Amino acid sequence: AQKITQTQPGMFVQEKEAVTLDCTYDTSDPSYGLFWYKQPSSGEMIFLIYQGSYDQQNATEGRYSLNFQKARKSANLVISASQLGDSAMYFCAIKIWGSTLGRLYFGRGTQLTVWP
Amino acid sequence: DTEVTQTPKHLVMGMTNKKSLKCEQHMGHRAMYWYKQKAKKPPELMFVYSYEKLSINESVPSRFSPECPNSSLLNLHLHALQPEDSALYLCASSQELEPRDTQYFGPGTRLTVL
Repeated sequence: AQKITQTQPGMFVQEKEAVTLDCTYDTSDPSYGLFWYKQPSSGEMIFLIYQGSYDQQNATEGRYSLNFQKARKSANLVISASQLGDSAMYFCAIKIWGSTLGRLYFGRGTQLTVWP
Repeated sequence: DTEVTQTPKHLVMGMTNKKSLKCEQHMGHRAMYWYKQKAKKPPELMFVYSYEKLSINESVPSRFSPECPNSSLLNLHLHALQPEDSALYLCASSQELEPRDTQYFGPGTRLTVL
């Protein structure tokens, strides 16, 4: 069963605007961690931000923040002040405490295009 | 420093060739991973090593043979590959296999099998 759903195959945003990339997840385990990665066309997967299920506050890292709504099982990534270099594929992933050996389950990704 | 290096960046090989992919990290991480990624798809886990021992093999065909000679190095030996094995191969490492441990990825090797 798919554990991570990213419903937006593609998103477009104008430079300097904010954009939200959606991610919903499915687990009955109360203990888990959510990760967002960025993958430019060069191929490298770049870690952006982490949110633990017991974290009291929404995670933030520079221009990246997580809109974490535990009851809705969503962990949307917000990118503020978009830059041309933000154009990339973005993957949401979950790691479930009870799962085997820290396995990461990825969503299908959202292709973000930032235009001038 | 969260750097994972991979060599080569690109590899073209015939179906009868034997080649190896190399991955290296100097972050003191004890868990290392191989992923395969096809275009426009998420990465698929192939192998996980923890403390130089194979922890997970995701039913990968035997033409892929992983090796972890020490805690900093991870190899993937390739033999008798098929054209459908053409993909981006990503290596990753994490502190250990704990749920909070972030996986850091290398830049990948783009493999083409002719």
